[in-house]
Amino acid sequence: SQTIHQWPATLVQPVGSPLSLECTVEGTSNPNLYWYRQAAGRGLQLLFYSVGIGQISSEVPQNLSASRPQDRQFILSSKKLLLSDSGFYLCAWSQGIRNEQFFGPGTRLTVL
Amino acid sequence: GQSLEQPSEVTAVEGAIVQINCTYQTSGFYGLSWYQQHDGGAPTFLSYNALDGLEETGRFSSFLSRSDSYGYLLLQELQMKDSASYFCAARDNYGQNFVFGPGTRLSVLP
Repeated sequence: SQTIHQWPATLVQPVGSPLSLECTVEGTSNPNLYWYRQAAGRGLQLLFYSVGIGQISSEVPQNLSASRPQDRQFILSSKKLLLSDSGFYLCAWSQGIRNEQFFGPGTRLTVL
Repeated sequence: GQSLEQPSEVTAVEGAIVQINCTYQTSGFYGLSWYQQHDGGAPTFLSYNALDGLEETGRFSSFLSRSDSYGYLLLQELQMKDSASYFCAARDNYGQNFVFGPGTRLSVLP
């Protein structure tokens, strides 16, 4: 069966510090991968998606970046965090043309 | 691009039936999905409609009308555990990305 992992579960970082969130998927190959951010009580904002290794599409221009160094690994990064980067970060995967997305447990980021 | 609209809150009592509506505006449309998210948790997939009509999965049903750019999620025999946020999501026909609605918070009262 397929599983998706995210870490860390929670993170508190000062403004201006770097960020690296990692997501890995097991039990499937060549998944589509996604990073979302969710503000408290709000909907999901798509940040990046990837259909293959090294292929990244950005939906929202900001100080975040994403990379996909391996087929089942997706990394979200920032060189300098802003207060507005606080939120719940969710990684998700889908397979081919199927329309279900499967979400990881999320990382709750607080920037102080 | 795409945008989706949902009511922000819905309240119902245990055992009742509730309908959560979703309207969308798209430049390309592939289908409408529904997700459930409990507080502090990750969204989980509930159902998907590619064609017009009703899809039933246990107590949950989802409906789509492509001509009206409208869909809804129907929850029957409501239980306390159904209290959560519900999101509709549309897949862009021109790519692999999904756009989510703002979410509807359902409160089930005893």
